[in-house]
Amino acid sequence: KAGVTQTPRYLIKTRGQQVTLSCSPISGHRSVSWYQQTPGQGLQFLFEYFSETQRNKGNFPGRFSGRQFSNSRSEMNVSTLELGDSALYLCASSPGQGTIGYTFGSGTRLTVV
Amino acid sequence: DAKTTQPTSMDCAEGRAANLPCNHSTISGNEYVYWYRQIHSQGPQYIIHGLKNNETNEMASLIITEDRKSSTLILPHATLRDTAVYYCTAQGGSNYKLTFGKGTLLTVNP
Repeated sequence: KAGVTQTPRYLIKTRGQQVTLSCSPISGHRSVSWYQQTPGQGLQFLFEYFSETQRNKGNFPGRFSGRQFSNSRSEMNVSTLELGDSALYLCASSPGQGTIGYTFGSGTRLTVV
Repeated sequence: DAKTTQPTSMDCAEGRAANLPCNHSTISGNEYVYWYRQIHSQGPQYIIHGLKNNETNEMASLIITEDRKSSTLILPHATLRDTAVYYCTAQGGSNYKLTFGKGTLLTVNP
């Protein structure tokens, strides 16, 4: 079956702009999580959604937001981009209940110039 | 959230077993131990998880100590394609996030 799909794969934005990243989870998965990966900070949790509700949130400023739609697809938005937001943004999906591990997408590489 | 500690790097000869240790002394009773790996420029890949019993699947084996304070991931016959960063993490209960440390860079040498 199809894996986790993230679009776009690469993105270049200018400081001050905003960006929206998209994630389509594995069919049937109701939980979607977002992570930011940078060389300095490693993999950091942004937020997790289950059935359109945010269940958990990481320690990121309010410029980072997300949402989940009724079909479980999710988007994350970063407003007023800063150079430090340049990173690989990863989406992961899981059924949302039980102990099955997360399946990650290939990520969106965001570069802020 | 349980904090995990792993060696920064390890080497292994191709065809030999790779044993990757992880310390998770603060793990709580309802948290599972999960292992993921990340090959350069790809998203992390789930490998295996366990609560307190040893587990085995087609990719690896997971040995968890009786006190649950540490675990070892075993790749029985490492190949060059197993070269990756391996992450150990803990998750369970109402904690729906994975907290990743720096992981272990495993390099499999020919």
